[in-house]
Amino acid sequence: QITLKESGPTLVKPTQTLTLTCTFSGFSLSTPGVGVGWVRQPPGKALQWLALIYKTDEKLYSPILRTRLTITKDTSKNQVVLMMTNMDPVDTATYYCAHTTYSLLGGFDYWGQGSLVTVSS
Amino acid sequence: QSALTQPASVSGSPGQSITVSCTGISSDVGRYNLVSWYQQHPGKAPKLVIYEVTKRPSGVSARFSGSKSGTTASLTISGLQAEDEADYYCSSYGGVQNYYVFGTGTRVSVL
Repeated sequence: QITLKESGPTLVKPTQTLTLTCTFSGFSLSTPGVGVGWVRQPPGKALQWLALIYKTDEKLYSPILRTRLTITKDTSKNQVVLMMTNMDPVDTATYYCAHTTYSLLGGFDYWGQGSLVTVSS
Repeated sequence: QSALTQPASVSGSPGQSITVSCTGISSDVGRYNLVSWYQQHPGKAPKLVIYEVTKRPSGVSARFSGSKSGTTASLTISGLQAEDEADYYCSSYGGVQNYYVFGTGTRVSVL
C-alpha cells in the first residue's frame, strides 16, 4: 500500500532554511504520471498548496512562495525534498507531503501524517 | 494567487443535504475542470473526496458529489451523517503560472 512520511526539524530559527524530506513506499517516482507534492497548514488555519514534482521532473510552485521554495526528488531513495529559505514565524505550520498522478488532475489521494515545524528564536 | 473563497461554516441535520461553495475567478475555477475537494477531521491529514470537479476516488461514499457553474464549484453531501462533521477544502488549478490553490475552508457541522 502507499505510505508517505515527512521528516525534518521541529524547530527552526528565523532566517534559517528549512529542509523537509518525504520518504514514501508503495509507488515509484519513476512511474509515468506519478507526482509528490507539499501542502502546509498553520495552526487553526487553512491548507496552503506549496509545490509539486512529477516523474518527468516537472516542478510546480506556489507563486507567492516561488522564490523561497525548491523541490527535488531522489528516485533511487524514494524521497522528495522541499527546501524553504528565509523562514519566518508565520511559516509555523504542519507540513504534509502527498501523492498524486496525472489522472487525478491535481488531487492528492495519499497523504503523510504531517510534520509540525515551529519557527522561533 | 488568492485563496478560493468558501463559506466559513455550513450546518445541517442528519439525513439532510448540504452544499459547500467554492468561488474562484475566470482564470482558475472558471477556466479549468481541475477542482478537487478534501475532507479533514481534527488532527488528521486531509482526505480526497472529489477530483476533476465530479469524480469520486475509489472508496468514497456516493453521498459526496461535485459540480461547477462558471467560477463557482460546489460540494454536496447528501444524507448527512455525524461522521461528515469536518472541515472541507476545495482546490483548483491556478492557470498561467502553473500552480494549484486551496480554498479558505468550510466547517461542516451536523446538528
